[in-house]
Amino acid sequence: SYVLTQPPSVSVAPGKTARITCGGNNIGSKSVHWYQQKPGQAPVVVIYYNSDRPLGIPERFSGSNSGNTATLTISRVEAGDEADYYCQVWDSSSDHVVFGGGTKLTVL
Amino acid sequence: QVQLVQSGAEVKKPGASVKVSCKASGYTFTDYGLSWVRQAPGQGLEWMVWINPYNGYTNYEQKFPGRVALTTDTSTSTAYMELRSLRSDDTAVYYCARTVLDSSGWYQGPPFDYWGQGTLVTVSS
Repeated sequence: SYVLTQPPSVSVAPGKTARITCGGNNIGSKSVHWYQQKPGQAPVVVIYYNSDRPLGIPERFSGSNSGNTATLTISRVEAGDEADYYCQVWDSSSDHVVFGGGTKLTVL
Repeated sequence: QVQLVQSGAEVKKPGASVKVSCKASGYTFTDYGLSWVRQAPGQGLEWMVWINPYNGYTNYEQKFPGRVALTTDTSTSTAYMELRSLRSDDTAVYYCARTVLDSSGWYQGPPFDYWGQGTLVTVSS
């Protein structure tokens, strides 16, 4: 089955840029969605189809996807961005949805 | 506005079954698919299954067929997920989430754009 690998944690100072990676075999050929989950809340999509941003999500959130790595980039990080972030793809070979293990973003 | 409202928390004994509901509003229930995603305490998201409420098509993650049953009631725009033969490692928050299906009624990768609030299912003797 298809596996997505995320770093368990990323730390960044306020105002700096956070980059959260999602690794998978030839993930660049797939569409990647990113979700933000704050404690006690349901996930919210922050980036879809690799780099599109839903209405209401700040422009500080951006995404890219190439080769074996997709990346969620959060610019000018704020305290309110502290959350768990998950990448997600649909694996056409298994016809299954796959989530990455999640990355805890800590704002120092 | 689109809303998915789930039923309340449940406590069950090992071997029992649990049925979680997900009531949709703010959109045409049969125009979108619904997935169920669970999250064990302190763990990540795990996709379980999706259903097409229009025709009942389902697609299960390999570990769940036989233990998970999905049904829908289009008259009340409600989806139900029943999990049988509960084990302690089924303790988790269970979410329903909406997604777009393709023209043939199958899921092929869109994001989950709206989520329910989650239902905590605790399995304990």
